[in-house]
Amino acid sequence: KAGVTQTPRYLIKTRGQQVTLSCSPISGHRSVSWYQQTPGQGLQFLFEYFSETQRNKGNFPGRFSGRQFSNSRSEMNVSTLELGDSALYLCASSLGQGGSNQPQHFGDGTRLSIL
Amino acid sequence: AQKITQTQPGMFVQEKEAVTLDCTYDTSDQSYGLFWYKQPSSGEMIFLIYQGSYDEQNATEGRYSLNFQKARKSANLVISASQLGDSAMYFCAMREGTGGYQKVTFGTGTKLQVIP
Repeated sequence: KAGVTQTPRYLIKTRGQQVTLSCSPISGHRSVSWYQQTPGQGLQFLFEYFSETQRNKGNFPGRFSGRQFSNSRSEMNVSTLELGDSALYLCASSLGQGGSNQPQHFGDGTRLSIL
Repeated sequence: AQKITQTQPGMFVQEKEAVTLDCTYDTSDQSYGLFWYKQPSSGEMIFLIYQGSYDEQNATEGRYSLNFQKARKSANLVISASQLGDSAMYFCAMREGTGGYQKVTFGTGTKLQVIP
């Protein structure tokens, strides 16, 4: 079974630009969550999508947005990039239904650098 | 209050020795799940072990075991017979809620270094 796939692996952008990151979950997984990881702030939750609907959201500005498609693939968009957006962005998928016993399975991440 | 607390920013362990990584949690839910993940320097997060709040026995997965003390709200990870490849960041996480209202919170992590 293929794991969670994130593209691209590395990205370099400049301030003010926008970026779109992609995540393909494990087949059969309907929940996709996005996290930002930085050395200073650790792993911070961005948002979660389930069945094309955002059902949980972290404390990030509106410049960060996402969406999920009918095949459960998800994209995350960051507009008007700032230097502080440099981070490893991790996507995680899980079944999304039922109780709290579902582990999240992570992709390798996209490392975004803002110049 | 922090939902997940990992009080050890860094740990050293001798190869082949056992090591315990601490994790305490805070929740008012009766049903929740506790997870441990490993993140090597390459960046990927690897799921290691899960413990459910209603599980009476401590979870074990190979060299990993979870010392679950519900009354103390702790879920410590025990790695037996440490190997050099165990050197990595380790994150404790909790999933609360049910159905469409589940939330996952991660701790700040513990950096484990295995010494030959």
